[in-house]
Amino acid sequence: DAKTTQPPSMDCTEGRAANLPCNHSTISGNEYVYWYRQIHSQGPQYIIHGLKNNETNEMASLIITEDRKSSTLILPHATLRDTAVYYCIVIHQSNTGKLIFGQGTTLQVKP
Amino acid sequence: DAGVTQSPTHLIKTRGQHVTLRCSPISGHKSVSWYQQVLGQGPQFIFQYYEKEERGRGNFPDRFSARQFPNYSSELNVNALLLGDSALYLCASSLGGSGANVLTFGAGSRLTVL
Repeated sequence: DAKTTQPPSMDCTEGRAANLPCNHSTISGNEYVYWYRQIHSQGPQYIIHGLKNNETNEMASLIITEDRKSSTLILPHATLRDTAVYYCIVIHQSNTGKLIFGQGTTLQVKP
Repeated sequence: DAGVTQSPTHLIKTRGQHVTLRCSPISGHKSVSWYQQVLGQGPQFIFQYYEKEERGRGNFPDRFSARQFPNYSSELNVNALLLGDSALYLCASSLGGSGANVLTFGAGSRLTVL
């Protein structure tokens, strides 16, 4: 699985969009980008995933660059409850649930 | 529907003892995975089971073992506990197949080894 690089921490103002970047320059054509988050003292939570097209669900949007070497997770209207560690994970399509978590980005949403 | 449930939520053991952690997956999920999360780090993969068969094992010593039962629940066993085994142990379930990587995690079992 390709390695990912994320900034260790970011701040965001409540009500504004939070844009979390992820670099995965060695991603291959059959690898997906997944995002999970972990709120303090809880288990990780699945957010969204994509292959090459942009994706949106009720939680977030995922924007993948055309060359697929980077992506951005967008929380459109961040709330205090979105304060968490966000993990960007690249997973091969043949993978069966073995996730390799890096250090992630600690997002602090401030009032 | 109940989410992934784990028990116990907290436990304290001493070095050399044995521990068994239990996990009940979401109804309909046939895959269960176990992760260890040491304070300040991301979760590390330990085991994955699908349809009662081991499908993956992480870089953990043989002191760690697991199994999945016919009802798809699972146990993680750790023998000869070391201080370094102190961690949050997370269980996750998924449908398997094409949905194998969309995991639902439980709240974890926090193990302290003294």
